[in-house]
Amino acid sequence: DAKTTQPPSMDCAEGRAANLPCNHSTISGNEYVYWYRQIHSQGPQYIIHGLKNNETNEMASLIITEDRKSSTLILPHATLRDTAVYYCIVSPRNAGNMLTFGGGTRLMVKP
Amino acid sequence: GAGVSQTPSNKVTEKGKYVELRCDPISGHTALYWYRQSLGQGPEFLIYFQGTGAADDSGLPNDRFFAVRPEGSVSTLKIQRTERGDSAVYLCATRAAMNTEAFFGQGTRLTVV
Repeated sequence: DAKTTQPPSMDCAEGRAANLPCNHSTISGNEYVYWYRQIHSQGPQYIIHGLKNNETNEMASLIITEDRKSSTLILPHATLRDTAVYYCIVSPRNAGNMLTFGGGTRLMVKP
Repeated sequence: GAGVSQTPSNKVTEKGKYVELRCDPISGHTALYWYRQSLGQGPEFLIYFQGTGAADDSGLPNDRFFAVRPEGSVSTLKIQRTERGDSAVYLCATRAAMNTEAFFGQGTRLTVV
């Protein structure tokens, strides 16, 4: 079972920040938070991951609450090409490090 | 290209036939995963290889499904006596090391008619 809860869909205006929430209230101390996205007819694409500190890369920022029970992925200036399904995943850092996908959030960026 | 390559990109087969799906990982990536994705759903884990051995095959739905990775590089997912319910996109992902990003291939779309 996926250990995360995400809204099934969200809209965002082009050029605005997209803030995608994720609840992972049962996360344990050895589990990372990963974000992937899947554009139609393509394989999932890695975005970012973190353990407890906030992270930023060229694609996005990841904000993890202090209790680690939720996180937010931020796309600072959404473009039409960011329209995709976004998956929030918690994954243990033991052997295997499996990614268990839930339903994700379908983000629609509108002009 | 340096990405994960999956062949064929599309496969149509008749019910009851045997199929093989191939995954060519990124060179040097020791961890390899197979997933299956049905329409409108997230990818579902099937099996994980670390090197040549299947470290976790708990996601394989039944004994018609089998996967190998004999030399720790290319992997083949094999499905015997295919059923219409096996129709899905089969995704392969590889990783250089634990807790790093996983790279996914474009998938093989399997249609059983």
